[in-house]
Amino acid sequence: DVKVTQSSRYLVKRTGEKVFLECVQDMDHENMFWYRQDPGLGLRLIYFSYDVKMKEKGDIPEGYSVSREKKERFSLILESASTNQTSMYLCASSSGQIYGYTFGSGTRLTVV
Amino acid sequence: AQSVTQLDSQVPVFEEAPVELRCNYSSSVSVYLFWYVQYPNQGLQLLLKYLSGSTLVKGINGFEAEFNKSQTSFHLRKPSVHISDTAEYFCAVTAWNTGNQFYFGTGTSLTVIP
Repeated sequence: DVKVTQSSRYLVKRTGEKVFLECVQDMDHENMFWYRQDPGLGLRLIYFSYDVKMKEKGDIPEGYSVSREKKERFSLILESASTNQTSMYLCASSSGQIYGYTFGSGTRLTVV
Repeated sequence: AQSVTQLDSQVPVFEEAPVELRCNYSSSVSVYLFWYVQYPNQGLQLLLKYLSGSTLVKGINGFEAEFNKSQTSFHLRKPSVHISDTAEYFCAVTAWNTGNQFYFGTGTSLTVIP
């Protein structure tokens, strides 16, 4: 089975800190995605990548950046964390639309 | 552009009763449709998907869904629910013109009552 691993299940950070959320997949998928999940809002796409060193903005990229230096790793960066970035962050990977996404277990980030 | 509407944010149901979770989509092109389940404090897992062919698709854990093109719906059903089905359920749509992006509904929280 494809595995998508997010390095932290729970994180607590202070306002203004730079935060790195790491995601690694082990099945050579080209496509990787970062979503945030908030009650009543569902999943909202932050950034995605179809190849190494490639990135595209999703629906809510403000306050975030990403890095994809290797095919298996897709990092989400909060340049200066704010309390409104408190959320569940989900990473996903895919080898194509018809296969769907494989999700990681999520990182619940709290910014205080 | 594609969009998904899940009409019910919360669905309580007694154990062993049937359940239907509703999903409607909007798209100007042919779509692929998916249902995912999220158990507490976990990521999403694929339940089932419709790509083409038979409009009734069966998934894991006894769930099934029916694609209705005329009503642009993809409702999820289970004839008899268990306590372990308590979870959040998400409907998602993608199409050839979205790249590999999926568009998710806002989710339906299913609570099975003993």
